[in-house]
Amino acid sequence: EIVLTQSPATLSLSPGERATLSCRASQSISSYLAWYQQKPGQAPRLLIYDASNRATGIPARFSGSGSGTDFTLTISSLEPEDFAVYYCQQRSKWPLTFGPGTKVDIK
Amino acid sequence: EVQLVESGGALVQPEGSLRLSCAASGFTFSSYWMHWVRQAPGKGLVWVSRINSDGSSTSYADSVKGRFTISRDNAKNTLYLQMNSLRAEDTAVYYCVRGFSINYGDYWGQGTLVTVST
Repeated sequence: EIVLTQSPATLSLSPGERATLSCRASQSISSYLAWYQQKPGQAPRLLIYDASNRATGIPARFSGSGSGTDFTLTISSLEPEDFAVYYCQQRSKWPLTFGPGTKVDIK
Repeated sequence: EVQLVESGGALVQPEGSLRLSCAASGFTFSSYWMHWVRQAPGKGLVWVSRINSDGSSTSYADSVKGRFTISRDNAKNTLYLQMNSLRAEDTAVYYCVRGFSINYGDYWGQGTLVTVST
């Protein structure tokens, strides 16, 4: 099973600041990585797929990069609605796996 | 508008059974892989099972293999998850998810809560 590790576990930032989230895979997954956002009481929302492609309707302040084992989600300028938990997910091999999540909270 | 509406979650005793349903609308259901993903209270996301568009191919997480069965009825636009021999560790919100690029999830239902407890 491919294990995904996310860092940091919690990121405390203010609106307007830049957020940089990391996801590392236990083996190469090429670019087969997605990022999701989840707010309390809601289902996850797909933000980024195949490492760097924004999903439909996702604002341009969200961007993804990386390949192989190291990936980054960047939120260029945090909006109030961006404070949430972010998960990475790989689709390189079954079982599909998620990282443990990074919580972005308000400083 | 794409909609996925889960139902069937309940409180069930250990070793009991439950069938979850997911009613899909707003897209051509028979063209998409579908998935079940679960989330234990306060925990992260875990992929449970997937099924291809015509139902001929299925996959399961090791933790549920032999106990859970995924299926679909394309005539009824409905996805199912039959859960047998339930354990306390199966307690979670179960999400129905539409496959995007097969193995990402672009639309998620609101979830249905399964609680396994005496």
